[in-house]
Amino acid sequence: GQQVMQIPQYQHVQEGEDFTTYCNSSTTLSNIQWYKQRPGGHPVFLIQLVKSGEVKKQKRLTFQFGEAKKNSSLHITATQTTDVGTYFCAGTGTYKYIFGTGTRLKVLA
Amino acid sequence: SQTIHQWPATLVQPVGSPLSLECTVEGTSNPNLYWYRQAAGRGLQLLFYSVGIGQISSEVPQNLSASRPQDRQFILSSKKLLLSDSGFYLCAWSPSLTGYTDTQYFGPGTRLTVL
Repeated sequence: GQQVMQIPQYQHVQEGEDFTTYCNSSTTLSNIQWYKQRPGGHPVFLIQLVKSGEVKKQKRLTFQFGEAKKNSSLHITATQTTDVGTYFCAGTGTYKYIFGTGTRLKVLA
Repeated sequence: SQTIHQWPATLVQPVGSPLSLECTVEGTSNPNLYWYRQAAGRGLQLLFYSVGIGQISSEVPQNLSASRPQDRQFILSSKKLLLSDSGFYLCAWSPSLTGYTDTQYFGPGTRLTVL
């Protein structure tokens, strides 16, 4: 079946450093979504990418969708302690979402 | 505005006992509904989804079942819990458009511990 993997599994950074998580699918995706889950909380939608090669920015966060629509990345510039949490990508199809394995980010002050 | 409720927030149950988790959505009609399970420190596993009353699709064979008795109510059940059923259970909804996926909105979740 379709699988969506994320790397790295964990990342510890010093506050102010950049952070990137990568998402790779075994199959071509219709579109891709990114979610953030704070410790002890539930996932919250961040963004959706639809077009091949699409790049979107939200303040310090930059999201990219690969040309082949099989991979995506999330880059955070100058991390802050509020960025702590687990970031999930989700490949979407008809009605269903296949979530990636997640990258847990810890930011050290 | 739309809101999604889940209860209970936490639950401790003995092995072999039954389970019923409830999820309700307010402020929208005919939503797509989802049940996920998240093991500690792990990703989200899709268990069931529903695109309408009485319509349930199961993603993973297991001893859990789901029902949708009303448009905005989604119930996750088990007749006999296993230790491996422990986890964080999340309900989610998304707008029902043309069948393609849209933003998912998650409920606060239920932390289930089976002893």
